[in-house]
Amino acid sequence: AQSVTQLDSQVPVFEEAPVELRCNYSSSVSVYLFWYVQYPNQGLQLLLKYLSGSTLVKGINGFEAEFNKSQTSFHLRKPSVHISDTAEYFCAVTLWNTGFQKLVFGTGTRLLVSP
Amino acid sequence: EPEVTQTPSHQVTQMGQEVILRCVPISNHLYFYWYRQILGQKVEFLVSFYNNEISEKSEIFDDQFSVERPDGSNFTLKIRSTKLEDSAMYFCASSGGGGGDQPQHFGDGTRLSIL
Repeated sequence: AQSVTQLDSQVPVFEEAPVELRCNYSSSVSVYLFWYVQYPNQGLQLLLKYLSGSTLVKGINGFEAEFNKSQTSFHLRKPSVHISDTAEYFCAVTLWNTGFQKLVFGTGTRLLVSP
Repeated sequence: EPEVTQTPSHQVTQMGQEVILRCVPISNHLYFYWYRQILGQKVEFLVSFYNNEISEKSEIFDDQFSVERPDGSNFTLKIRSTKLEDSAMYFCASSGGGGGDQPQHFGDGTRLSIL
């Protein structure tokens, strides 16, 4: 069965420090990969996506992620975080055998940025 | 930027009652989705809808659930006889294409509380 694993449920970090949020997936078919962010009391906002091509993708708010097929990973990074980056971050995949329609989410990582 | 809107933001209902959650997808989008997030758990796919019919549904989406596009703008999720375990945040999403290259855009959600 296909799955998405976010090992870190919570990542505390100081402002202006770099951060990496880890995501691994398990799938026997082709996938598209996404990172979404959820601010308190809001919906899910797309940060970035990987469909094909360059394995390093850049998103909004200074975030980037790298697709590593051999390690089945899609880790999210930011070189310098702000207080306003405090939110829940979800990694998700869509699968070739479901027409790339159904999003399968990880359990989320809460990023806590402190001064 | 166009957005997906959901009403109400919070719905409180007695167990056994019917509830209808409403969504207005982005106007030129053709694919529509419902997801739910039980408190503290991951976001789960419920159903996808295209061309006035369900294209995929999860095992959660049993006979108590139904979806409808009653007019050209609204997309609704109905739960016929609510149970305590239906308490969750329900997210509507829409996309311009179904192939995954056009990402899903989410609303802010409806928090459903079953008493």
